[in-house]
Amino acid sequence: ETGVTQTPRHLVMGMTNKKSLKCEQHLGHNAMYWYKQSAKKPLELMFVYSLEERVENNSVPSRFSPECPNSSHLFLHLHTLQPEDSALYLCASSQGDRSTDTQYFGPGTRLTVL
Amino acid sequence: AQKVTQAQTEISVVEKEDVTLDCVYETRDTTYYLFWYKQPPSGELVFLIRRNSFDEQNEISGRYSWNFQKSTSSFNFTITASQVVDSAVYFCALSEARSGGYNKLIFGAGTRLAVHP
Repeated sequence: ETGVTQTPRHLVMGMTNKKSLKCEQHLGHNAMYWYKQSAKKPLELMFVYSLEERVENNSVPSRFSPECPNSSHLFLHLHTLQPEDSALYLCASSQGDRSTDTQYFGPGTRLTVL
Repeated sequence: AQKVTQAQTEISVVEKEDVTLDCVYETRDTTYYLFWYKQPPSGELVFLIRRNSFDEQNEISGRYSWNFQKSTSSFNFTITASQVVDSAVYFCALSEARSGGYNKLIFGAGTRLAVHP
């Protein structure tokens, strides 16, 4: 595998379910990002991890819980979501040694909350 | 405050036409970076180009070219002889140089380009 991969690609869940999104980067990067892309809003940065430490949390509701066990993996744990959380969730990574690095994105997980 | 404006929501062209996607940005910093990404129907954002605020040279890559004009705070993207495979949503983004080992991209709303045969 190369680049940034995300699983699953599609997910349908009920409001009471608990699920997790997984992101893996094969680029040797040190920073990883979660974005939300919904039809009504532009790309929104949710979380940033740099060297496995969360460095950015953009007022995201607690029903979204990120986890970064190592620099190659990033998870987004979901519980008691709302229908308005339906969106495309994109993961990205960057080298992380400069603030002007290029971010490389995965294919996204299309989430539908019923 | 930082802001990126892509005024064109949707553009429709016929194959082989040239098309320009506009991007206007706002920032108070003197050092910043601009990006263009392509998002095909598959969903993945594909990196196209990064320019820093000190390099105003225009760039050409095959059928793609970029025109950076600091005086008008614009970073426009032109596709020459468009093809159906160019159909996608294109995003312009801005990043300020700052301390820390990560960056924050401010994205425009995107321009949806449809190229018809």
